[in-house]
Amino acid sequence: AQKITQTQPGMFVQEKEAVTLDCTYDTSDPSYGLFWYKQPSSGEMIFLIYQGSYDQQNATEGRYSLNFQKARKSANLVISASQLGDSAMYFCAMREPRGKLIFGQGTELSVKP
Amino acid sequence: DTGVSQDPRHKITKRGQNVTFRCDPISEHNRLYWYRQTLGQGPEFLTYFQNEAQLEKSRLLSDRFSAERPKGSFSTLEIQRTEQGDSAMYLCASSSPKSQGDTQYFGPGTRLLVL
Repeated sequence: AQKITQTQPGMFVQEKEAVTLDCTYDTSDPSYGLFWYKQPSSGEMIFLIYQGSYDQQNATEGRYSLNFQKARKSANLVISASQLGDSAMYFCAMREPRGKLIFGQGTELSVKP
Repeated sequence: DTGVSQDPRHKITKRGQNVTFRCDPISEHNRLYWYRQTLGQGPEFLTYFQNEAQLEKSRLLSDRFSAERPKGSFSTLEIQRTEQGDSAMYLCASSSPKSQGDTQYFGPGTRLLVL
C-alpha cells in the first residue's frame, strides 16, 4: 500500500535561515507524483511544489525546493530564507495513479523572529 | 482566475440532522475531489469525480454520505443523520490533466461541528 511518512511533528527555525522538512514515501508504482502543501491556521491547503517520479532535476519554486532522492524514496522540502509568514503546517502528499492524494501526518513549522 | 470555493465555511449542527456542503471548482477543471481532515491529521480521501462521473469512493464514505456533481460543474456532499464523529474539516479540490502533475488546488474548507 502507498504511504507517506513525515517524522517531524514540529520544527523551529530562526527567521532568514533555511529549514528542511522530511518526507519519505512508499509505493510500488513506477509513475507517481509528489507534492508539498502548506496549511496555515485558516485551514486552506496551499500548493507549494510538485515533483514527478521521472523528473531528472529537483523541483524549485521561489524559496521552495524539493530534494528528491528516488533510491531512498525521500522528497524533502527545503525552505530558504524563512519568513514569519512561513509558520504553518506542512503536508507531503503522493498522487496515486488513479488521482487521489495520500497525505502524511504533517509537520508544524514555527519561525522565530 | 478564481480559485476553488466552498460553502458554508462553518457549520454547527445537532446530532441526527442532515447537512449539505457545496464546492465550486476552478472553471475548466474536470476533476473534483473531496477530502476529510480531522484535528492533527492529514486529509483523507473521500471521493473523486471526473466530469459528472463519480469514479472512486473511499471506504470512509459510509452509506450516510453521498456526493453528486450534476453537469460536471459544482459538487455537493451530503451527510445524513450526522454523528459526533463526523466533526471535521471537509476539503474540496479540483484539478486538470493539463496542469503540471495534475496538481490539485484546494478550497478553504468547511468546518463541521456536530453537537
